[in-house]
Amino acid sequence: GALVYQYPRRTICKSGTSMRMECQAVGFQATSVAWYRQSPQKTFELIALSTVNSAIKYEQNFTQEKFPISHPNLSFSSMTVLNAYLEDRGLYLCGAREGGGSDYTFGSGTRLLVI
Amino acid sequence: GDSVTQTEGQVALSEEDFLTIHCNYSASGYPTLFWYVQYPGEGPQLLFRASRDKEKGSSRGFEATYDKGTTSFHLRKASVQESDSAVYYCALSDEATGGNNKLTFGQGTVLSVIP
Repeated sequence: GALVYQYPRRTICKSGTSMRMECQAVGFQATSVAWYRQSPQKTFELIALSTVNSAIKYEQNFTQEKFPISHPNLSFSSMTVLNAYLEDRGLYLCGAREGGGSDYTFGSGTRLLVI
Repeated sequence: GDSVTQTEGQVALSEEDFLTIHCNYSASGYPTLFWYVQYPGEGPQLLFRASRDKEKGSSRGFEATYDKGTTSFHLRKASVQESDSAVYYCALSDEATGGNNKLTFGQGTVLSVIP
């Protein structure tokens, strides 16, 4: 079956430092990868959508300068949170899917705590 | 832009009670509608989807019917169990928004079932 693994599961970083999280697709080709953030008491906010052979599209309020994403092949993606501050804490989810018409499979997320 | 509204933030029921979680959407095109369930420590899992008016999606006793007239996709289950306790998210994917098929989530509803 299609699985998505995210690591680390939990991480703590000091305010102003950066943190990289990874997303691995197993059992299917991750043509599209979507990165979401779930902040405390909030729903899932889409950060950016990455499709192989296309430019990464960032949503309003999120930038490449703050959340650089790499999607080098059909099984892996990573995202870095640069200069993390309190408002960046939350659960970061990676969802991946294979081609048009298929459903996203989500990982369990990376929980970021900023101190 | 697209949006999804879930009326109930929290629902507390006893086992065998009837469940309804209301979901209304706003989209520029003809979206596909989804229900996801999220258990503690995990990412959201797809329950089911519906793509056209009057289509019923169902899984594990849960069901919802796509109603284009009222722009709704309410989740129902006739008899809930303690194991159904989780957070439920209504979501949509709108082909009209550039074909990116990004998922837009509602705020989520916390379901607590008391044995």
